[in-house]
Amino acid sequence: GQNIDQPTEMTATEGAIVQINCTYQTSGFNGLFWYQQHAGEAPTFLSYNVLDGLEEKGRFSSFLSRSKGYSYLLLKELQMKDSASYLCAASDSNYQLIWGAGTKLIIKP
Amino acid sequence: NAGVTQTPKFRVLKTGQSMTLQCAQDMNHNSMYWYRQDPGMGLRLIHYSVGEGTTAKGEVPDGYNVSRLKKQNFLLGLESAAPSQTTEYFCAISEAMESYNEQFFGPGTRLTVL
Repeated sequence: GQNIDQPTEMTATEGAIVQINCTYQTSGFNGLFWYQQHAGEAPTFLSYNVLDGLEEKGRFSSFLSRSKGYSYLLLKELQMKDSASYLCAASDSNYQLIWGAGTKLIIKP
Repeated sequence: NAGVTQTPKFRVLKTGQSMTLQCAQDMNHNSMYWYRQDPGMGLRLIHYSVGEGTTAKGEVPDGYNVSRLKKQNFLLGLESAAPSQTTEYFCAISEAMESYNEQFFGPGTRLTVL
């Protein structure tokens, strides 16, 4: 079957760094997405990885290891506005996105 | 430029009633999707469309129908609503279904079936 695993909830301190992990099992693989979703709002795109390695985009970076079926999202210099759920999604052989349940990130002052 | 809009934002139905959720886009994207988001679960694809006049089933299509008569509109129908269809519905669009295309989401429709 197809499956995405990510932690349910994480807590971090304002100004710190946090890493949110995601493991995936899909039939075929065409890339890994990260989305951010604030409470009561729609998901918004953060990053896309299809090759192994690290993609950096400002305070956010995303890493992919295809051989391990593993990705992480790294958030630096955390701000209170980063409090949100972070959704990991893998694109399968039919280009359909298989979504994780999301990681709720709580930022404390 | 509104991007993706959904109507209504909220709706309460009684079991057995029917309704249509509407999704409209002004980005001229080819692919459109309907998802449901249940607490503690990931987004699940209900139906999708890769172009005007075409639709396909996703992971959880039972109890739903869709139509894409115009490129900018994607309608999700519930013929006979059930309490299990109480959830948040999101419409999304992308330029194409190929994986490198990010999906843009509408603001969501909260449906309660009593």
